[in-house]
Amino acid sequence: AQSVTQLGSHVSVSEGALVLLRCNYSSSVPPYLFWYVQYPNQGLQLLLKYTSAATLVKGINGFEAEFKKSETSFHLTKPSAHMSDAAEYFCAVSEGEGAQKLVFGQGTRLTINP
Amino acid sequence: EAGVTQSPTHLIKTRGQQATLRCSPISGHTSVYWYQQALGLGLQFLLWYDEGEERNRGNFPPRFSGRQFPNYSSELNVNALELEDSALYLCASSFSGRAAIDTQYFGPGTRLTVL
Repeated sequence: AQSVTQLGSHVSVSEGALVLLRCNYSSSVPPYLFWYVQYPNQGLQLLLKYTSAATLVKGINGFEAEFKKSETSFHLTKPSAHMSDAAEYFCAVSEGEGAQKLVFGQGTRLTINP
Repeated sequence: EAGVTQSPTHLIKTRGQQATLRCSPISGHTSVYWYQQALGLGLQFLLWYDEGEERNRGNFPPRFSGRQFPNYSSELNVNALELEDSALYLCASSFSGRAAIDTQYFGPGTRLTVL
């Protein structure tokens, strides 16, 4: 079964600094990978997804993620953090055809310091 | 275009009661998914409905059940509520259940509190 590990339950960066949120996956088949963001008291919003078309995936709000098969990683980055980026971020892997369920990591809470 | 909608926003019940949560998918979407987000347990897959049929189920007891209506909206029922059922219940929809590549779009959730 697929699984996802997010390293760091809490990440804190200064406004304008690089944001790096780590995600490693375990999958027996080529994975479909997703990053979602959850603002307080809201549902999940899709940031980006990897579908094997390109290893570098660009998403909304200036975020991007790079798929590295050799490292089984799909880390999320943003060159310059903004106060509005403060939220919880979830990495997820689709468990595959016929299952259609998303397996989520534990989430990383991102705090932006002024 | 309207997103996924869920009702009610908040629901307070007591132990042993039944809770009913509702979800309307994005127009044109035929698949509906339910997830539980409980404190300390993260996001857990509950159920997947497509074309009116239950297609997949997570590791939850049978007192968690649901259905999908002909208009593709869905209902989640939780019977014999327990304190640990307190959580945010998220509904998501996708264009179809044909491919794992389909993006799931999430609603704002229903906060269930069991006293």
